[in-house]
Parts: sequence; C-alpha cells; structure tokens
Amino acid sequence: EAGVAQSPRYKIIEKRQSVAFWCNPISGHATLYWYQQILGQGPKLLIQFQNNGVVDDSQLPKDRFSAERLKGVDSTLKIQPAKLEDSAVYLCASSLNLRGEDNEQFFGPGTRLTVL
Amino acid sequence: KNQVEQSPQSLIILEGKNCTLQCNYTVSPFSNLRWYKQDTGRGPVSLTIMTFSENTKSNGRYTATLDADTKQSSLHITASQLSDSASYICVVSARPGGGADGLTFGKGTHLIIQP
Repeated sequence: EAGVAQSPRYKIIEKRQSVAFWCNPISGHATLYWYQQILGQGPKLLIQFQNNGVVDDSQLPKDRFSAERLKGVDSTLKIQPAKLEDSAVYLCASSLNLRGEDNEQFFGPGTRLTVL
Repeated sequence: KNQVEQSPQSLIILEGKNCTLQCNYTVSPFSNLRWYKQDTGRGPVSLTIMTFSENTKSNGRYTATLDADTKQSSLHITASQLSDSASYICVVSARPGGGADGLTFGKGTHLIIQP
C-alpha cells in the first residue's frame, strides 16, 4: 500500500515570497491533516479536512496560510507571503475515520521549508 | 489546557543498552495514547496505541506502559540498536467532541544510540 506522498521534499525561498506544498493521502482516507513542525518540537496541527470540508483550522494563520482539498483527495497548502518564522517541516497525514478510537494517522515524509 | 510533557528532552546511550522515555499528560477526557517514532527527515510512524483500560503494550523491543490514574506513560526500549536513533513523540487523544480528533502532541525525546 502506497503511503502519504508529499512534494517538494525541500524548498528554500526568501521572505515575502510565496510557496505551495502538495499532499496525496493514502487511497480511501477521508481525513487529511496538515501539520507544522518547528525544529525540536512536536507537530502542530494547522488544518484538518474531512473529505473536502474543513473540520478544524483554528490554528491556521489565515492572513498568510491557505489550504484546499477541492476534490476530497489531494491537498495543497500555500503560504503567501512567507516569513522567517515559517521555516519548519510541513507534514501531511491522513486517516480513515474521524471519530474512531483507533484513528491512526499515517504521515508523509514532510516538506522542509527554509525562509531566508 | 491539554498538555503533554516528555522527558528527557534528549538521551544518548550505547548500543545494546536499555532506556525508558517518559510522557506525562493532562488531557481530559482521555481516549488513547500513542507513541510515534520519527526518523530524521521522515514523518512519524506509530509504534503503539493504548486505551484507558490497557496497562502495557509491546511492539518488538518497544514496550509502552500506561497509568491512567497518574496520567503517565513510558516507552521502554530493550537492547537498543543503531536504528533506534530517532525522536519519540507521545500523542494523547481526547474523546472527539466537536468533530476534531483533539490530539495533543508532546515535543518528543531525541534518542541517539552510539556504537
């Protein structure tokens, strides 16, 4: 079974530029998550989708971050304009059920963003 | 506020030795607790999951314990190998309320195994 795919794996941009990340979840997984992981810290949830609807985006900095999952499969996360503090690894994860007890999330390899 | 605290922050041990990582949480209500292993440059991978009624769960050389009364969990690694070098993240799930998973992540313990 193919895992969660993310691209690009690495991205270096200058502050105030724009950047977009792409995620393809495991086939059949209805729930998709985007996390921001700053070096030395645990992942922080940015946004959660159930199919193509947003379940939780309370920690998404909406003035500069946006995400979409138009067809309920692939998702993109965009930052516009980027700030130095956005340097982090952006992880995408997917899971089968929203409310199940064993709602295991499967993570992609992440995109490491460096903002100069 | 739901919190997950992990200790130590980092740990270096010799290959073949055992070690124990700690996780204390103040998440309520409690649904389950997972330990994830995150290799450098990769996403986290689930090692174990425990619900309220489970005290111990093993996955090969990894054994997790849970004390729901004291809200503590530990991950014990036996006969460590070089491939165990990674960050270990404790994640606690609150029972879903408004639809979100209610996951609280710890900051992780960075483990280095030296030959």
